[in-house]
Amino acid sequence: GENVEQHPSTLSVQEGDSAVIKCTYSDSASNYFPWYKQELGKRPQLIIDIRSNVGEKKDQRIAVTLNKTAKHFSLHITETQPEDSAVYFCAALLSNSGYALNFGKGTSLLVTP
Amino acid sequence: DGGITQSPKYLFRKEGQNVTLSCEQNLNHDAMYWYRQDPGQGLRLIYYSQIVNDFQKGDIAEGYSVSREKKESFPLTVTSAQKNPTAFYLCASSIVAGTSTDTQYFGPGTRLTVL
Repeated sequence: GENVEQHPSTLSVQEGDSAVIKCTYSDSASNYFPWYKQELGKRPQLIIDIRSNVGEKKDQRIAVTLNKTAKHFSLHITETQPEDSAVYFCAALLSNSGYALNFGKGTSLLVTP
Repeated sequence: DGGITQSPKYLFRKEGQNVTLSCEQNLNHDAMYWYRQDPGQGLRLIYYSQIVNDFQKGDIAEGYSVSREKKESFPLTVTSAQKNPTAFYLCASSIVAGTSTDTQYFGPGTRLTVL
């Protein structure tokens, strides 16, 4: 399957600061890029997604940007709060696997008070 | 998310045993998926199914089998051929609409441990 690289693997920020997580993908046919948040022992929850016909999408403190030419997309969390602490996964649609997703390996975000 | 259920929540298996993990959805979604999650590995695709009575292998299908006899159900069997089955197993579903896809919603997961 296609390769999705995610960086950094761990990220520690102080409450109120911004956090940025970056992903790159290899399949130029991918056109859907969701971000999931997973708390310990829980299911992944979709927090935001973007399709290839837009370059940026924002939902309150969360935004995602997409650069299709460079094949990378990023998650931006502003005014971070301790409850933002979790593992975040980026994903890209696999164009040849029935709409299954290829996930990055995750970023463990810790927001310290 | 509440429309997808997985059971059991925890499962213990002895070496050499086959076990079946249940996944049910009442969202009327066409597509269903099984992912395996290991620490530091993210989620990896085991099998997926777009319609009833049809399913395809993902990246790590060896040692696993599935069936899709009903739209609502997509059970996963972990066979004795799977050498390292201890992991967190996640089922997901989504609407398949033409050439696009809708959001994938995940079940609560089953944690399988081999004793």
